Amino acid sequence: DARVTQTPRHKVTEMGQEVTMRCQPILGHNTVFWYRQTMMQGLELLAYFRNRAPLDDSGMPKDRFSAEMPDATLATLKIQPSEPRDSAVYFCASGLVLRDEQYFGPGTRLTVT
Amino acid sequence: AQSVTQPDIHITVSEGASLELRCNYSYGATPYLFWYVQSPGQGLQLLLKYFSGDTLVQGIKGFEAEFKRSQSSFNLRKPSVHWSDAAEYFCAVGADAGNMLTFGGGTRLMVKP
Repeated sequence: DARVTQTPRHKVTEMGQEVTMRCQPILGHNTVFWYRQTMMQGLELLAYFRNRAPLDDSGMPKDRFSAEMPDATLATLKIQPSEPRDSAVYFCASGLVLRDEQYFGPGTRLTVT
Repeated sequence: AQSVTQPDIHITVSEGASLELRCNYSYGATPYLFWYVQSPGQGLQLLLKYFSGDTLVQGIKGFEAEFKRSQSSFNLRKPSVHWSDAAEYFCAVGADAGNMLTFGGGTRLMVKP
């Protein structure tokens, strides 16, 4: 049963620290998405990739967030420096076609104190 | 541009009662339509999807949805709700081939004993 995996599942850090979240998309999927979910804002798209190339990262605060795909099996989302307002659940999803089904990982719950 | 609206933020139903969650989309042609469910602490899981053909779509966990082009709607239904159905439900639309899914704001379902 192929699944999207995300690590870590939980992260607590202090303000100003660097945070790196990792995602392993389903093998063979060529589109990868990063979302952030909070009670106030709901589900927000941060960035997405196709064939490892970033297509749109307009949802990300550029000064502190960065997303990369070092290879087809790994996507990373980095926050540097982290702030309390970054506390949220971050989801990775992968798929084959942009307008088709996305498969979501379990999420990384980030708490910045 | 595509958009999707879930008019109900919260819905409470009694266990055993029927359920209908509303979803309206905006798009000129026939879109790809999806319903996802998110249980507490989990990622989003696909319940069902519609691309073409029969407008009544069956999904997992006893859910179904009906595409009504004239009303631009894709409402989710279940004849008898179980306590385990308490979760948040997201409708999503995928329209233009070059664009990814757009998610609605979600409907939180609570089930009374």
